[in-house]
Amino acid sequence: DAGVIQSPRHEVTEMGQEVTLRCKPISGHNSLFWYRQTMMRGLELLIYFNNNVPIDDSGMPEDRFSAKMPNASFSTLKIQPSEPRDSAVYFCASSLRQHSYNEQFFGPGTRLTVL
Amino acid sequence: AQKITQTQPGMFVQEKEAVTLDCTYDTSDPSYGLFWYKQPSSGEMIFLIYQGSYDQQNATEGRYSLNFQKARKSANLVISASQLGDSAMYFCAMREGRGDYKLSFGAGTTVTVRA
Repeated sequence: DAGVIQSPRHEVTEMGQEVTLRCKPISGHNSLFWYRQTMMRGLELLIYFNNNVPIDDSGMPEDRFSAKMPNASFSTLKIQPSEPRDSAVYFCASSLRQHSYNEQFFGPGTRLTVL
Repeated sequence: AQKITQTQPGMFVQEKEAVTLDCTYDTSDPSYGLFWYKQPSSGEMIFLIYQGSYDQQNATEGRYSLNFQKARKSANLVISASQLGDSAMYFCAMREGRGDYKLSFGAGTTVTVRA
């Protein structure tokens, strides 16, 4: 079975450029989460979706960040314009929201470097 | 306030010995779940074990067990018979409530297994 798929795995861009990170959750999962991991702040939840609907975006740092989930098999996290402080590893995770034991399965992450 | 506290930034353990990773949590919700994830140097997040707040017994999963002390609000991970492949960062996480499935993560503990 394919796990959570993220692309690209690595992204290097210059300040001011638009960055789009992509995620394909595990088939059948109905919850999707975007996290950011940095040395300073650890793992932070940015936003999560249930059945393609954004439920909680309180972790999104600012208006430069936006996330969409147009269908059950695809989500994007966009940063426009990007800044050096956005450099981090961005993880996408999915789970089946069925019962309390709903482990989240993580993708391999996208390592973003903004110069 | 921190919801999850992991006080050990790094630990060394001898191969074949057991190691305990501390995790304390803070919540006023009677329904919650506690998770442990492993992050090896390759970066992926691997789910290890889960403990629900109403579970009567401590969770076990192979060489992983969770020492759940509800009154003390602690959920320590015990890794028995450590192997070199156990060297990684370990994260404790909590889900609060029945309707909200987002996770709050601790800062993590780095474990290094020595041969």
